[in-house]
Amino acid sequence: DIQMTQSPSSLSASVGDRVTITCRASQSITNYLNWYQQKPGKAPKVLIYAASSLQSGVPSRFSGSGSGTDFTLTISNLQPEDFATYYCQQSYSSPPEPTFGGGTKVEIK
Amino acid sequence: EVQLVESGGGLVKPGGSLRLSCAVSGFPFINAWMSWVRQAPGKGLEWVGRIKGKIDGGTTDYAAPVKGRFTISRDDSKNTLFLQLNSLKTEDTAVYYCATVGLVPRTTLSYFDNWGQGALVTVSS
Repeated sequence: DIQMTQSPSSLSASVGDRVTITCRASQSITNYLNWYQQKPGKAPKVLIYAASSLQSGVPSRFSGSGSGTDFTLTISNLQPEDFATYYCQQSYSSPPEPTFGGGTKVEIK
Repeated sequence: EVQLVESGGGLVKPGGSLRLSCAVSGFPFINAWMSWVRQAPGKGLEWVGRIKGKIDGGTTDYAAPVKGRFTISRDDSKNTLFLQLNSLKTEDTAVYYCATVGLVPRTTLSYFDNWGQGALVTVSS
């Protein structure tokens, strides 16, 4: 199994802040890394796929970077609607066994 | 507009069975790859399994914790995805989401690009 480790598990930030969330894979996954946002009681929503490709309709303040084992999701100019939990997910393993990170909860400071 | 609507959740005793449905609309279902992802109360996301589209053979893959107990199927004539849950355990208690699988061209990279609202399955005596 490929394990995905996110840090931090939670953070407090203010509107307008720049926020960075990291995700580390237990082995190289090249760029097979996706990021999701989930709000309480709602389904997740994909933000970034293939490590750095912005999903259609997602604001450009969200960006992703990294390759191999280390990845980053950055939210520039944090907005009120961005307070949520964020998950990374790898799709590298074969046979397929997609795995998610443990999540990072972004809370209002 | 892509829509996925799950149904069939509920309370079931350990060892029991349940079938979830996911009605889809707004895209050509027959060749779409589909997945189920679950989330235990207050916990993170866990992939359950997937089924490929008709053109890719309609084959299935499952996560280790559910292999042999859960079965994913589809009725392309009714644009509906199913998840049959058998031999249920208390640790299967979760919200079950169906999701479309987005495929990045010329790669094997995939992601979950559209999600339903989820169906709660509670396994308890």
